[in-house]
Amino acid sequence: NAGVTQTPKFQVLKTGQSMTLQCAQDMNHEYMSWYRQDPGMGLRLIHYSVGAGITDQGEVPNGYNVSRSTTEDFPLRLLSAAPSQTSVYFCASNLRAGNTEAFFGQGTRLTVV
Amino acid sequence: QQQVKQSPQSLIVQKGGISIINCAYENTAFDYFPWYQQFPGKGPALLIAIRPDVSEKKEGRFTISFNKSAKQFSLHIMDSQPGDSATYFCAASIRDSSYKLIFGSGTRLLVRP
Repeated sequence: NAGVTQTPKFQVLKTGQSMTLQCAQDMNHEYMSWYRQDPGMGLRLIHYSVGAGITDQGEVPNGYNVSRSTTEDFPLRLLSAAPSQTSVYFCASNLRAGNTEAFFGQGTRLTVV
Repeated sequence: QQQVKQSPQSLIVQKGGISIINCAYENTAFDYFPWYQQFPGKGPALLIAIRPDVSEKKEGRFTISFNKSAKQFSLHIMDSQPGDSATYFCAASIRDSSYKLIFGSGTRLLVRP
């Protein structure tokens, strides 16, 4: 099993550009989430989904959109990139919402110039 | 708002020593407290987790101590090894339909040979 796959691994954007970070899992997990990791701030929850067709906001949702049309995929869209969105982004999946293990992808390092 | 406070930010331990990382939380509704381990360039991975109905959980060299009245929990790594050098994150969550996993700011552990 591949687990949680994120693409791309690295990306450089210019301010104002838009892009989509891809996340796919092959474990038939119901729950998926996106985090950003910044030095000294740990991982902060951006958006999450408890199942296909259902999404909700986390701690830092501004500037990001998500959708969950299938169980497997949970893309994160940056609408108009800003330097403050320079970060490492992690996608994670859990078997279901609740206190189960979160499986993380390898991360996408995004730089906005 | 930092709901889970983690300390220290960095820790250096000699091989064979004990590494101790502390976390404190504010929300008494939290009912699941995992620790994640992250190596450079990788996503976090679940190390060990505890629920508030027990005061201690041990898995090999790793032990979580939990103090519900003080709203604190800690990770102890016994006989620390250079291979334990990584960043450690504590986290907390509420097992409800929304399920948000809130992370601490992380501790970078270096175990010297």
